[in-house]
Amino acid sequence: GAVVSQHPSWVICKSGTSVKIECRSLDFQATTMFWYRQFPKQSLMLMATSNEGSKATYEQGVEKDKFLINHASLTLSTLTVTSAHPEDSSFYICSARGSPDSYEQYFGPGTRLTVT
Amino acid sequence: GDSVTQMEGPVTLSEEAFLTINCTYTATGYPSLFWYVQYPGEGLQLLLKATKADDKGSNKGFEATYRKETTSFHLEKGSVQVSDSAVYFCALSDPGTGGFKTIFGAGTRLFVKA
Repeated sequence: GAVVSQHPSWVICKSGTSVKIECRSLDFQATTMFWYRQFPKQSLMLMATSNEGSKATYEQGVEKDKFLINHASLTLSTLTVTSAHPEDSSFYICSARGSPDSYEQYFGPGTRLTVT
Repeated sequence: GDSVTQMEGPVTLSEEAFLTINCTYTATGYPSLFWYVQYPGEGLQLLLKATKADDKGSNKGFEATYRKETTSFHLEKGSVQVSDSAVYFCALSDPGTGGFKTIFGAGTRLFVKA
C-alpha cells in the first residue's frame, strides 16, 4: 500500500527558532500533499494544500510567512515553522494524494512539535 | 459549506459489545465518505470508504453504509476488541465545492474495556 513518512516524528525547539518537517511519499508520486494541524483531543485542521512545482494554497487564517511550505518534488513536501512560539506547539500531519482524480489520501504518522 | 457531524465521545464499551458511531454530513455535491482511525500517538489510517449512495464500506469487521436519503454514514462493528480503542474520524471529500480537500468531523474517542 501507499506509504507516507514524516521526519522527524517529534521535535523540541526553543522559542524564536525555525524547524523544518519533511513529508515523503515512499512508493508513489504525490501530485498533491496536504498539511494539517491537530490540537489535543481535537480534529484535524487543514493548513494548506501543496502541489508539486507551484505555490501552496493556504486556508483562511493560516499565516503564509510563518508556515512555509515547499513541494519541490513529487515525493517530498516540507513545512517550515518560522520563528516558532509556544502556541505553535502541536501535532502536524501531512497527507498525500497520488492521483489527480482520486479522493483518497494517505497520511503520514505525524510530527509532534514542542516549542519551549 | 460542507460539514461533517459525528457523535461526541468518549464512548466506553466492554469487549465484544456492539459499536455504533453516528455520522451525518452536509454537502452540495456528491461526496465520497470515509472513516479514518487514529491510534494513540499515530497518524490517521483509512478504515473504510464509500464513493456513492448505497455503497457499503467494510474493513476489519467495521462497516458503514452511504445513506443519501438521511445524509448519514454511521460506523458499526458487531463485536469490539480492546485493540479497537482509538479515535475515529468521519470525513468527506466533495469535488464539487472543495476540490479534493477532505473535511473531517470532530472525532469520537472509543475506549474498549477488557
